[in-house]
Amino acid sequence: QVQLVESGGGVVQPGRSLRLSCAASGFTFSNYGMHWVRQAPGKGLEWVAIIWFDESRKFYGDSVKGRFTISRDKSKNTLYLQMNSLRAEDTAVYYCARRPSSGAGFDYWGQGTLVTVSS
Amino acid sequence: SYVLTQPPSVSVAPGQTAKITCEGNNIGSKSVHWYQQKPGQAPVLVVYNNRDRPSGIPERFSGSNSGNTATLTISRVEAGDEADYYCQVWDSNTDHYVFGTGTKVTVL
Repeated sequence: QVQLVESGGGVVQPGRSLRLSCAASGFTFSNYGMHWVRQAPGKGLEWVAIIWFDESRKFYGDSVKGRFTISRDKSKNTLYLQMNSLRAEDTAVYYCARRPSSGAGFDYWGQGTLVTVSS
Repeated sequence: SYVLTQPPSVSVAPGQTAKITCEGNNIGSKSVHWYQQKPGQAPVLVVYNNRDRPSGIPERFSGSNSGNTATLTISRVEAGDEADYYCQVWDSNTDHYVFGTGTKVTVL
């Protein structure tokens, strides 16, 4: 069965960096695009970034563009999110999610990892 | 940027029908997807491409999309349907994925 497991969250000071990981299993990772989506405490869902299955395209939400970088390692079946210059407003649960072949929505989600940006 | 607006809350009695709207400029020209999120859990896709259901999602969940409004309909509502619901589209103008503001469904 499809499984996505995020890790790497924690407490970090403003201005510092953090890298999140998402370990994928139960499907052919290299065939699927992958997203990061976040949710601030008590707030709605916010799309963060997408990487194409072949890494040919990457897109970012306006609030993270230039600070966050999405990447993947096919040999490790792992998705990453490098987060730099973190701000208090980046505090959220970060989910990885799979882009289905049809492109229709986000069909599988991980359970999320909490990032808290605070001094 | 493209904006999707949902009512903050919808209340419905068990066995009745809940309708959750998602408003966006000419949303009828886009494919709309809907997610259910229960407290402390990750979102779950319940309707994709306006009206299709993933395997395992009850037929009670249905969707429609026309003009400036997409609608998720939950028929014969059960206590277990109490959750937050989000609509979502892809904005081809910006290559951004957009979520609606979210609707909390309360089963009375």
